[in-house]
Amino acid sequence: SQQGEEDPQALSIQEGENATMNCSYKTSINNLQWYRQNSGRGLVHLILIRSNEREKHSGRLRVTLDTSKKSSSLLITASRAADTASYFCATDAFDMRFGAGTRLTVKP
Amino acid sequence: DSGVTQTPKHLITATGQRVTLRCSPRSGDLSVYWYQQSLDQGLQFLIQYYNGEERAKGNILERFSAQQFPDLHSELNLSSLELGDSALYFCASSPLTANTEAFFGQGTRLTVV
Repeated sequence: SQQGEEDPQALSIQEGENATMNCSYKTSINNLQWYRQNSGRGLVHLILIRSNEREKHSGRLRVTLDTSKKSSSLLITASRAADTASYFCATDAFDMRFGAGTRLTVKP
Repeated sequence: DSGVTQTPKHLITATGQRVTLRCSPRSGDLSVYWYQQSLDQGLQFLIQYYNGEERAKGNILERFSAQQFPDLHSELNLSSLELGDSALYFCASSPLTANTEAFFGQGTRLTVV
């Protein structure tokens, strides 16, 4: 299996701004998932996008998938301090591996 | 609450000892995953079980072993513990083997002294 790699490693923004983080992967996928982890807690599933989808929305989250570039992006609009967390992508696999994540800090 | 239960929440033990971490998946979920997360690190995939059978193996040390029981709960056994094994250990479950959302427990924080 393979894992996604998130970029950037860290991102710091002001409350109200948008946050964009990216995920790249190396081989063909059936789907890609994004998860959030608050410090020291378990991961929480945010969104799953299938390979035949180009964009998906969930509340303030927008995920895009470009299978030709083997990349995905997660956009959080109108960020809040509560969005401060690490964000991980995972590609479909039996073993659901994660990258190192993007650590997002939203300053009030 | 994800529905995944991990016990114990915290564990402090000495080097050389053996511990067992337990995971109860969500009702109906057949897949269980184990991960290790050291301080400020990403999640290292250890192993996956599906309906009692080992399905995939990651960077799991030979000192570590796991199993999934007929009632679908899983245990991760860590032996000959070293200081470097201190980490958060997460269990996750999902209904299928792949391509579905996974639900994570709150983790077991293991401290080896």
